[in-house]
Amino acid sequence: QKEVEQNSGPLSVPEGAIASLNCTYSDRGSQSFFWYRQYSGKSPELIMFIYSNGDKEDGRFTAQLNKASQYVSLLIRDSQPSDSATYLCAGGGSMNRDDKIIFGKGTRLHILP
Amino acid sequence: GAGVSQSPRYKVAKRGQDVALRCDPISGHVSLFWYQQALGQGPEFLTYFQNEAQLDKSGLPSDRFFAERPEGSVSTLKIQRTQQEDSAVYLCASRKNSGTQYFGPGTRLTVL
Repeated sequence: QKEVEQNSGPLSVPEGAIASLNCTYSDRGSQSFFWYRQYSGKSPELIMFIYSNGDKEDGRFTAQLNKASQYVSLLIRDSQPSDSATYLCAGGGSMNRDDKIIFGKGTRLHILP
Repeated sequence: GAGVSQSPRYKVAKRGQDVALRCDPISGHVSLFWYQQALGQGPEFLTYFQNEAQLDKSGLPSDRFFAERPEGSVSTLKIQRTQQEDSAVYLCASRKNSGTQYFGPGTRLTVL
């Protein structure tokens, strides 16, 4: 059974600080990983994807992937109240192959003004 | 162009009724996915199509759930004889070839 595990939270972070969200996955065959943000009552929206070991930065967001440890993380710098949401980690096959992705249960992030 | 659309946005059914949920993917997107999301949980995979072919239906919880995409575009998820445990948000997502999935707004199903 392929699984993606996340701490459900809530994770409370002061405004302006760095929020660190973590995720582990069980399937070593997974090659592509995604972070989605989901506001209450809304559908998930993609923040970042990553498929190479190391870091990938996009604005205030940095995704980190460690395939040896089967670990994915998302860092949010200069956290804003608008970042308060549930963050879903997901893993799937190759970026070049049509395949389903498996979601974690999500981590609730609360940015304290 | 327009994003993924789903209808109805909300559906209330009495236990035992059949329901049909519709998904219109982004034009030109080959792959279409259905997920079930219970309150406080992540989306759970139900099934997926590549064009009109249903390539994986391993996530469908029972034979009361049926999905189709006859012309490789619009898809319908049908739930027969609905039960209270079917209450959830049903999300549809589409994808061009591989990689990023784009989600629709979802259909919130409440079974009384």
